[in-house]
Amino acid sequence: DAGITQSPRHKVTETGTPVTLRCHQTENHRYMYWYRQDPGHGLRLIHYSYGVKDTDKGEVSDGYSVSRSKTEDFLLTLESATSSQTSVYFCAISGGQHYGYTFGSGTRLTVV
Amino acid sequence: AQRVTQPEKLLSVFKGAPVELKCNYSYSGSPELFWYVQYSRQRLQLLLRHISRESIKGFTADLNKGETSFHLKKPFAQEEDSAMYYCALSGVDSSYKLIFGSGTRLLVRP
Repeated sequence: DAGITQSPRHKVTETGTPVTLRCHQTENHRYMYWYRQDPGHGLRLIHYSYGVKDTDKGEVSDGYSVSRSKTEDFLLTLESATSSQTSVYFCAISGGQHYGYTFGSGTRLTVV
Repeated sequence: AQRVTQPEKLLSVFKGAPVELKCNYSYSGSPELFWYVQYSRQRLQLLLRHISRESIKGFTADLNKGETSFHLKKPFAQEEDSAMYYCALSGVDSSYKLIFGSGTRLLVRP
């Protein structure tokens, strides 16, 4: 058990609909992150959180919002999904600078 | 600006051949560097941290601050090494966020 789970694993949604992805951790780590993975771009940071109700933007935050009401949960919302948001979304947690990340299994989102 | 460059999108080698996956970074401070591996449709897993100077699955990586490089090496590739490899940089601020390269797909042929 990696201590981090994402849901759903797969989702197909229509353009213009809101979508929420969930990340849940059992490690009690302060830092949580949402990345998207696209061919040729690697992983790009969308938003991150450094504590309950403390979040900040990453490099590709437009069209996304996040919330963290509890240490263990970090939600990513696509307010009005677009085809350009079709991607694989990874959540990650960090135990500190020297330790790197532990990643979730990813959510494959398709916007049609 | 902080940046990680992996110049090869695809590296194809035969089983038993040496492997070197290139990673260059730009960062003026003291970097923390990592290699992550992603096997087909699985989560990314931490492979190496430069600070621990460890060898995992026969892979090693040395931080060269003069050349700003952190190349990943293995003397004898195995078919099970076929995967996507990402180099990542941390330490740019207090958020511990990682900056990733675009990745290199390693294909080890029998």
